[in-house]
Amino acid sequence: GENVEQHPSTLSVQEGDSAVIKCTYSDSASNYFPWYKQELGKRPQLIIDIRSNVGEKKDQRIAVTLNKTAKHFSLHITETQPEDSAVYFCAAEGFYGNKLVFGAGTILRVKS
Amino acid sequence: GAGVSQSPSNKVTEKGKDVELRCDPISGHTALYWYRQRLGQGLEFLIYFQGNSAPDKSGLPSDRFSAERTGESVSTLTIQRTQQEDSAVYLCASSPTGDEKLFFGSGTQLSVL
Repeated sequence: GENVEQHPSTLSVQEGDSAVIKCTYSDSASNYFPWYKQELGKRPQLIIDIRSNVGEKKDQRIAVTLNKTAKHFSLHITETQPEDSAVYFCAAEGFYGNKLVFGAGTILRVKS
Repeated sequence: GAGVSQSPSNKVTEKGKDVELRCDPISGHTALYWYRQRLGQGLEFLIYFQGNSAPDKSGLPSDRFSAERTGESVSTLTIQRTQQEDSAVYLCASSPTGDEKLFFGSGTQLSVL
């Protein structure tokens, strides 16, 4: 089955700097890669996702890149702000009917 | 319409008792997941329902855990003979077809004394 590894487990950046979180997956058939943000005490919410037919997707300060050959994908947050502080989870899902598997999460702290 | 609804929001029980957690997914969503999240930890997969297919139970930690889903509607997660290590937030999520955005409920905080 699918295995997703996420690094780093914690990340501290200065406000205004960029943050990068990386994930690798094991199942080459996986084709859907979402990222979720979970603020303290709240439910996870989707912030961006990418499918295997594209290599990069951007939404304002957030971007995701996918390298299918190497089986890894990354979340990039530019111009970080204190409200970006949260736990971020990557996930991967295979073809229709396969379950979504999450990484262990990254605690992002943005220092002002 | 309404989002994913979970009940109860909090449950305190004594060790050895059985508990039943309920999840009402968004209407029409064929995929439904249960996850467990211990304090400060990640999302531990428990079980996955997809339409009329047999559920993926590979994440259930022991035979004390079971879950059912009626068609494409309500799901219940049952924990028998609860132990202190079962204390966690139990999150339910649903998705329209299974390879799309997950909508999470607000979770049930289970405390086993």
